Amino acid sequence: EPEVTQTPSHQVTQMGQEVILRCVPISNHLYFYWYRQILGQKVEFLVSFYNNEISEKSEIFDDQFSVERPDGSNFTLKIRSTKLEDSAMYFCANRDRGDKNIQYFGAGTRLSVL
Amino acid sequence: RKEVEQDPGPFNVPEGATVAFNCTYSNSASQSFFWYRQDCRKEPKLLMSVYSSGNEDGRFTAQLNRASQYISLLIRDSKLSDSATYLCVVNALSDRGSTLGRLYFGRGTQLTVWP
Repeated sequence: EPEVTQTPSHQVTQMGQEVILRCVPISNHLYFYWYRQILGQKVEFLVSFYNNEISEKSEIFDDQFSVERPDGSNFTLKIRSTKLEDSAMYFCANRDRGDKNIQYFGAGTRLSVL
Repeated sequence: RKEVEQDPGPFNVPEGATVAFNCTYSNSASQSFFWYRQDCRKEPKLLMSVYSSGNEDGRFTAQLNRASQYISLLIRDSKLSDSATYLCVVNALSDRGSTLGRLYFGRGTQLTVWP
């Protein structure tokens, strides 16, 4: 199965700090997604990204969040000023144009906001 | 509104048992349907796509009923390694009408297979 790589695996930060979560996508997979999962809850969509722009975002993805592909390869999620309620697992996902929206997930970054 | 609803579980079954999970979705415009499995504190992993005609992959059989907006997963001859949370997942059209839309996840049904 294709592999999506995420770093770091665990990030601990203080409330109000900025964090950047990184994702190395599958080669030639052009569609990128971020999801999050608060402990004990369901996986929730944050944002999709294609052709260097946001395709769709959820109501969770407010002005504190941003995404980019800084070097045309890595895909990042930035949270500008973290809140306690941002503590969750953050998953990056990829798909290519050939699949029927089959999205492959990275192992996730566990974000702990103190 | 809950986009995807699943059996709450948990299901605790002996090895060799057959177990069935059900799921309903609310958006009739949904395009693609999946079952993912998720081990504790791990990422969701695709188990199988679900097609209207029904499909089978080894011990796993998935069914889709578009009229009832209902999806099912049957696991035969359960193994210890099947213990996981099973996620019913549906995609919908994006705001721009694209099929590249978000995936909606159910809360998952926990399965424990005991020896």
